[in-house]
Amino acid sequence: SQTIHQWPATLVQPVGSPLSLECTVEGTSNPNLYWYRQAAGRGLQLLFYSVGIGQISSEVPQNLSASRPQDRQFILSSKKLLLSDSGFYLCAWRVGGGDTQYFGPGTRLTVL
Amino acid sequence: GENVEQHPSTLSVQEGDSAVIKCTYSDSASNYFPWYKQELGKGPQLIIDIRSNVGEKKDQRIAVTLNKTAKHFSLHITETQPEDSAVYFCAASGTSGTYKYIFGTGTRLKVLA
Repeated sequence: SQTIHQWPATLVQPVGSPLSLECTVEGTSNPNLYWYRQAAGRGLQLLFYSVGIGQISSEVPQNLSASRPQDRQFILSSKKLLLSDSGFYLCAWRVGGGDTQYFGPGTRLTVL
Repeated sequence: GENVEQHPSTLSVQEGDSAVIKCTYSDSASNYFPWYKQELGKGPQLIIDIRSNVGEKKDQRIAVTLNKTAKHFSLHITETQPEDSAVYFCAASGTSGTYKYIFGTGTRLKVLA
């Protein structure tokens, strides 16, 4: 069966510090991968998605970036965090050609 | 642009009663409609989905109905239990196919014991 992992689970970072969040999927090949952000009590905002290694599409211009160095690994990064980057970051995957997205457990990021 | 409206934003029901959450989508090309349940501090979990060639789908106490003409779909939970308390999100596939979803804004369901 397929599983999705995210780490760290929680993170507290100062403004201006760098960020690296990691997502990995097991049990499938060539998945479509997604990064979402969820502000407190709010809906899901799509940040990036990837249909293959090295292929990244950005949905919202911001100081975040994404990379996919391996087939089942998706990384969200920032060089300098802003207060507004605080939120709950969710990774999701989808079988290529399939309909359903499956979400990971999320990373709670607090920028102070 | 593409949009999904979800109502109500909060819903309180007595244990054992039914709960209904409604979503309306704008893109007539949308053909896939999942529903997710999100518990506090966790990632959303798929609970049921429906495709545009089906009008209704049921899974035990949960059902989803789709009206393509009116472009709306609804989640029905019968015999609610306290563990049904969570935030529920609807979504519709966008014009780019199922690569991307358009999500509703969420409904916080409280089941009162």
